[in-house]
Amino acid sequence: DAKTTQPNSMESNEEEPVHLPCNHSTISGTDYIHWYRQLPSQGPEYVIHGLTSNVNNRMASLAIAEDRKSSTLILHRATLRDAAVYYCILRPFYSGNTGKLIFGQGTTLQVKP
Amino acid sequence: DTEVTQTPKHLVMGMTNKKSLKCEQHMGHRAMYWYKQKAKKPPELMFVYSYEKLSINESVPSRFSPECPNSSLLNLHLHALQPEDSALYLCASSQGLAGRPYNEQFFGPGTRLTVL
Repeated sequence: DAKTTQPNSMESNEEEPVHLPCNHSTISGTDYIHWYRQLPSQGPEYVIHGLTSNVNNRMASLAIAEDRKSSTLILHRATLRDAAVYYCILRPFYSGNTGKLIFGQGTTLQVKP
Repeated sequence: DTEVTQTPKHLVMGMTNKKSLKCEQHMGHRAMYWYKQKAKKPPELMFVYSYEKLSINESVPSRFSPECPNSSLLNLHLHALQPEDSALYLCASSQGLAGRPYNEQFFGPGTRLTVL
């Protein structure tokens, strides 16, 4: 399975945009890029996913590099409630795919008021 | 209803006890998962059920026994656990076959288990 690399931690000010990077240089052409986050004392929560094109939803935007070797999760206006561990996860598309989410160490985002 | 519920929220058990964790969803999802999360670590997959059949067991010790009685319910039976099994146990579900890479997984809040 392809691996992802994220910074251990990042800080942001409230109401400012946050760009969370993820490197996945060994990604294969059919791997989907997923982002989940885990708020303190809660289960993980799906944020967004994409394959090749940039994606937007009500929570965030996902910018995928043209070569797909990296991606960036964008929170447009960080709030204190966005303080969480953010996980970038690759999900392969092949018949043996088990549905397993392989969580790396993630990026701990701190949001300062 | 887009919620996965887990009971109990907290559980303390001795090494000789038998207990069960329960997970329920009413989203019509046919794939359900158990994950284990130790303190300050990411979640790790334990089991996957797809259409009520066990499809993946990630080499989990037999003192953990999963059960999927119907498409909405997932249990994890615990017996003779060790203190190192203390962790947050997370349940998740997703639509259709477990392996669809474009389907999101919905997680419950977890059961915090302490083994004395």
